[in-house]
Formats: sequence, structure tokens, C-alpha cells
Amino acid sequence: KQEVTQIPAALSVPEGENLVLNCSFTDSAIYNLQWFRQDPGKGLTSLLLIQSSQREQTSGRLNASLDKSSGRSTLYIAASQPGDSATYLCAVWYFGNEKLTFGTGTRLTIIP
Amino acid sequence: ETGVTQTPRHLVMGMTNKKSLKCEQHLGHNAMYWYKQSAKKPLELMFVYSLEERVENNSVPSRFSPECPNSSHLFLHLHTLQPEDSALYLCASSQHIASGVTDTQYFGPGTRLTVL
Repeated sequence: KQEVTQIPAALSVPEGENLVLNCSFTDSAIYNLQWFRQDPGKGLTSLLLIQSSQREQTSGRLNASLDKSSGRSTLYIAASQPGDSATYLCAVWYFGNEKLTFGTGTRLTIIP
Repeated sequence: ETGVTQTPRHLVMGMTNKKSLKCEQHLGHNAMYWYKQSAKKPLELMFVYSLEERVENNSVPSRFSPECPNSSHLFLHLHTLQPEDSALYLCASSQHIASGVTDTQYFGPGTRLTVL
């Protein structure tokens, strides 16, 4: 079964620290993987999209990596800020599907 | 208005009511989506429309009825819902729908639905 798993479900980190969020997927046959951010009670905002042929993507303080052979992706956030507090969702577009498969997310809290 | 908008933002309805959720995208996209987000569950894709034609229906109960009158507007008509249908309903749009296209989905803020 094609699934996406994000562990831990929640994470608290002091402000200023670097941190890593994890995402694992069950099948290496993917088109792309995306990271989204969701603020409480709101919609999703796309952060980074990594194509199957790519190893990483960067945007500002964010860096996402992709390792298809191990079925893993990480989202690295440098110099965390209270405004980074949100739920981070990972989604994978598997071959043969016409849709994204989402993980349940990691709720991140940055402690001032 | 820019991006993807949804109305209403909050809705409380009884099990015998009929209501509709509205989504509008101002991005010139060709595909629109309805998702359901329940607590502690992954987002569930409900319906996909491409150029106003439905291309995906993930075995959604008939008490949910989508309508896409044009490429900018998407509705979700609700009738005789159950309490377990209470969730955040998210609308999204993208330029294309085809697999593998490097296409990001843009999400609206959602409608928080409570069924009593």
C-alpha cells in the first residue's frame, strides 16, 4: 500500500536552533515529493517541491532532501523562529496515481 | 481577491439540512480539487475536476455532490450529512492534473464544517 509517514507527530524546539523534519514513503516509484505548511485552521501553503530526479531543493532557510532508495525525505529548517510554528505536511505523487498522497504531518512549536 | 478563496469559513448544520460550500480560484488554473481533513488523518482527496469535467471520485458518499460550472468555480453540495462528516474541507487548484507534471497545488483557507 502506498503511504506517507511523518514521525514525530509533534516537536518543540527552542528558538534559534536548526531542526529536521522527517518523511518516509513506501514506494520509490514517485514523480515528486512536496512539503507544505499549514497554520491552525487554515489551508496549506506549498514550501518546496522535489522532482524524482532531484536530490534537494532550497528556499531561504528551508532545505528539503530526497532519497528514493531509502524512501525518505527531510525538511531542514535553519535558525528557527517563532513564526515557523505550524504543521508541516509531506505529500508524494506516486506512479500510477492521479493524486497526492499526504502524511499526517508534524506539528512544530518554536519556543521563544 | 487573489489565490483560492472559500466560503463560508465556518458552517454548522443539522443532519437534515442542505448547504453548499463554494470555492473560487483567481489563478487561471485548469484543475480544481476538494479535500477532506479530519483530525489525525491524512488529507483525503474527494473530487478532482479538470477543465470542468470530473476526473476523479474517490468513492465519496452520495450525500456529497460536487459541481464545477466553470474553471474558476467549484461547489460542494451537502445533504443529510452525518456527524462523522465534521471536518475541514479544503479546496485547491493547479495548472494541470496530469501525473508527473511539475505542478504545485494552491489551497484555499478551508471551510470548518460541524454536523450536529
